[in-house]
Amino acid sequence: EAGVTQFPSHSVIEKGQTVTLRCDPISGHDNLYWYRRVMGKEIKFLLHFVKESKQDESGMPNNRFLAERTGGTYSTLKVQPAELEDSGVYFCASSQLGGADNSPLHFGNGTRLTVT
Amino acid sequence: GNSVTQMEGPVTLSEEAFLTINCTYTATGYPSLFWYVQYPGEGLQLLLKATKADDKGSNKGFEATYRKETTSFHLEKGSVQVSDSAVYFCALRVGANNLFFGTGTRLTVIP
Repeated sequence: EAGVTQFPSHSVIEKGQTVTLRCDPISGHDNLYWYRRVMGKEIKFLLHFVKESKQDESGMPNNRFLAERTGGTYSTLKVQPAELEDSGVYFCASSQLGGADNSPLHFGNGTRLTVT
Repeated sequence: GNSVTQMEGPVTLSEEAFLTINCTYTATGYPSLFWYVQYPGEGLQLLLKATKADDKGSNKGFEATYRKETTSFHLEKGSVQVSDSAVYFCALRVGANNLFFGTGTRLTVIP
């Protein structure tokens, strides 16, 4: 079974530019999560999709961030325009629908975003 | 609210030394507790978990016991190896909600 894949693995952009991160969850996983780790700090929740619907987007920092999951398969996270404080590692995770113990989160390798 | 506090790193140990990484939590409700590990160049992997008080999670020689009275879930290993060098994250989850992570502790094991 293929794991959660994220693209790109690294991205370096200038302040003010736009970047789009992509996540392909494990096939059949309806839950999809985005997390972010800013250097040296905790991994913070951004948002949660169930299929194509946003279940919880309380962690999205501001309206420069836009997440989509058209068709309930892969998801994109767009940052526009990027700011310096957006630098960090963006993780995607997926899980099957079901109770907490029965649906462990599977994480991708993350996308390291550097805004200069 | 829900939060996790874990030991600041980095931690550097010699091979075969004993490891403890402290983790305490606050939670609304009854959380499940987790330790995730991120090896260099890889994604987060679940290392072990415990779903109720007094449960002990274990994997790859690592152990952690869910202590409700001290709201702790400290990670231990009796004899670390160079291959254990990684960043370790303590996390909690209440119900089917998302995970709350600590800041991570970088462990370096030297031969």
